[in-house]
Amino acid sequence: NAGVTQTPKFQVLKTGQSMTLQCAQDMNHNSMYWYRQDPGMGLRLIYYSASEGTTDKGEVPNGYNVSRLNKREFSLRLESAAPSQTSVYFCAVRESLFHFGNGTRLTVT
Amino acid sequence: AQSVTQLGSHVSVSEGALVLLRCNYSSSVPPYLFWYVQYPNQGLQLLLKYTSAATLVKGINGFEAEFKKSETSFHLTKPSAHMSDAAEYFCAVETGANNLFFGTGTRLTVIP
Repeated sequence: NAGVTQTPKFQVLKTGQSMTLQCAQDMNHNSMYWYRQDPGMGLRLIYYSASEGTTDKGEVPNGYNVSRLNKREFSLRLESAAPSQTSVYFCAVRESLFHFGNGTRLTVT
Repeated sequence: AQSVTQLGSHVSVSEGALVLLRCNYSSSVPPYLFWYVQYPNQGLQLLLKYTSAATLVKGINGFEAEFKKSETSFHLTKPSAHMSDAAEYFCAVETGANNLFFGTGTRLTVIP
C-alpha cells in the first residue's frame, strides 16, 4: 500500500535470535500500529504509538519491544525470537482511516 | 469493551450467487465499523466503513453492508459473486483508544 513501507518482506530466524521489523510512512500521520496475523485469529494489536516518542501496549505485547524515535518510523523488535512468534506482521498508520503495509512474513524455527 | 464476531470461518458460494458474510459487534458506545479484504499474500484493503451516517454503506467492488443497531450486526453482502471475490474478509470495530479490533476473518471461496 502506498505510503506505508515494511521491511523486510520475509525473514527466517532461529529460536533465540533477535531482529527488528521496520515500518516507515510518508503520510505524516501521528498514530502508528503493529499487528500480528495468525490463522483463525484475525489481526491482533501488539503495540501502538499515538505520537512520536510515545508507545502503548496492545493485546499481545509479550516478547516484543517497539521504538518510535520520529514521526515517520515505528520499529518492532524481537529480542529473543520464539516459534510462537511465527506470524505475519502488519504495520498500520491512522489519520481518519487505517492504512496498512503489505506485511512481513516471519518464520522462527 | 468493543469486539466483533464473524460467524463462519469459511463460506463457499457459486459464481453469480449472493454473498453474505456475517459480523456481529458489541460496543458500549456507537461504533465505527469496517470491512477489510485481504487477497493472498497481500495487505488489507478497506472495503467500506460505517461511521454513524447512513445505515446502508456501499463499498468498493459492489459490496455493501447494513448497520442494524437492534441486531448489533454489520453483515457484508454482494448480489452476485465473481471469481475475483475469493479472498479473506475481516470485520473490525474501532475502539475508544483509536485502535482497530478485528474479527477472526471469513475466507470466501467462489465456485465456478
